[in-house]
Amino acid sequence: SQELEQSPQSLIVQEGKNLTINCTSSKTLYGLYWYKQKYGEGLIFLMMLQKGGEEKSHEKITAKLDEKKQQSSLHITASQPSHAGIYLCGADPYGSARQLTFGSGTQLTVLP
Amino acid sequence: DAGVIQSPRHEVTEMGQEVTLRCKPISGHDYLFWYRQTMMRGLELLIYFNNNVPIDDSGMPEDRFSAKMPNASFSTLKIQPSEPRDSAVYFCASSWNRMTGNTIYFGEGSWLTVV
Repeated sequence: SQELEQSPQSLIVQEGKNLTINCTSSKTLYGLYWYKQKYGEGLIFLMMLQKGGEEKSHEKITAKLDEKKQQSSLHITASQPSHAGIYLCGADPYGSARQLTFGSGTQLTVLP
Repeated sequence: DAGVIQSPRHEVTEMGQEVTLRCKPISGHDYLFWYRQTMMRGLELLIYFNNNVPIDDSGMPEDRFSAKMPNASFSTLKIQPSEPRDSAVYFCASSWNRMTGNTIYFGEGSWLTVV
């Protein structure tokens, strides 16, 4: 089965700083999803990557998928307290988007 | 647009009682997923449906768990009898069938505590 490892497990940064969260897969990623979760709330879809070398951005968040499609990174530029939460990567193991295997998450705290 | 709607948001029940969680997927979506989230095991897929038909229930932990989807706009996850180890957040999610670029949308979850 496909396993996803996220690093770091937790991250505390000062407001305005840049940060990167990584997601590494034990197998080739056919699709990689990034979600954000706040305590007591559901998962909010951020981005989905499918092609090797693909990069997508939304506001101050950029996600990349490496050429080998086994590692993805999520980069936040000039972090804000609103970026705080748990970031989860989810892998599409069969290329069909029928179900996702998730990493354990990265807890992000942004200090004002 | 309404997202995936789950109810109840929070439930506290006694061990041995039956628990029913409900989900209304996004209109037009033909895939529905039930996930469970715990501190120990993270987010796990329990079962998913396509066009109201269960496709893969290999993640359902025990016979105490059952899920149904009687129509395209409603699904239930039932636990009978409930046990303390069932305490978790249960998420429902939905998506629609496209060749590529499917996005899976999650509800806000049902927080279950079994005492």
